[in-house]
Amino acid sequence: KAGVTQTPRYLIKTRGQQVTLSCSPISGHRSVSWYQQTPGQGLQFLFEYFSETQRNKGNFPGRFSGRQFSNSRSEMNVSTLELGDSALYLCASSGPGFNEQYFGPGTRLTVT
Amino acid sequence: QKEVEQNSGPLSVPEGAIASLNCTYSDRGSQSFFWYRQYSGKSPELIMFIYSNGDKEDGRFTAQLNKASQYVSLLIRDSQPSDSATYLCAVNKGAQKLVFGQGTRLTINP
Repeated sequence: KAGVTQTPRYLIKTRGQQVTLSCSPISGHRSVSWYQQTPGQGLQFLFEYFSETQRNKGNFPGRFSGRQFSNSRSEMNVSTLELGDSALYLCASSGPGFNEQYFGPGTRLTVT
Repeated sequence: QKEVEQNSGPLSVPEGAIASLNCTYSDRGSQSFFWYRQYSGKSPELIMFIYSNGDKEDGRFTAQLNKASQYVSLLIRDSQPSDSATYLCAVNKGAQKLVFGQGTRLTINP
């Protein structure tokens, strides 16, 4: 089975812009979770989607949003980018009835 | 108090020895626990998960869970230089929300 894929892998944006990141889960997996990883804060949960519904949300401002499509692919959007949004954004998928999450390679976002 | 705590290390272990990584968590109701390995510049890779008290073995790896004491540990036997990485402990808080510790950096010395 192919693993979790994320696009793009690297992104450079300017403050105030917005960005959309994409995640395709492992085939058959319907749950997609998003995380932000920074050296200072570590890995932090952003939100989780299952069957196109957001089931859980972390403590991030409303500038961070996401959605999931009927094929389980997910996107996350960050609007009005700030320097502090520079991070590795990871998505992870899990299969039905299982808690184990498998991470994609991540998208490295740099905000200048 | 952080929800999940790990010793940040670095932990240095000679090749062939046992590496012992520890993690404590604050929510007594937590049910599922995970260990991820992350190489520098890469994404986390799931290596072990454990849901029941006791030990769970998979090859050179053993996860240990003690819910009464609220700790989970990972033992790596016959440590290899390729085991050098950051090890992340995670607790599932429900609806697939994982809370991670800060990670322990492990170095295996040849």
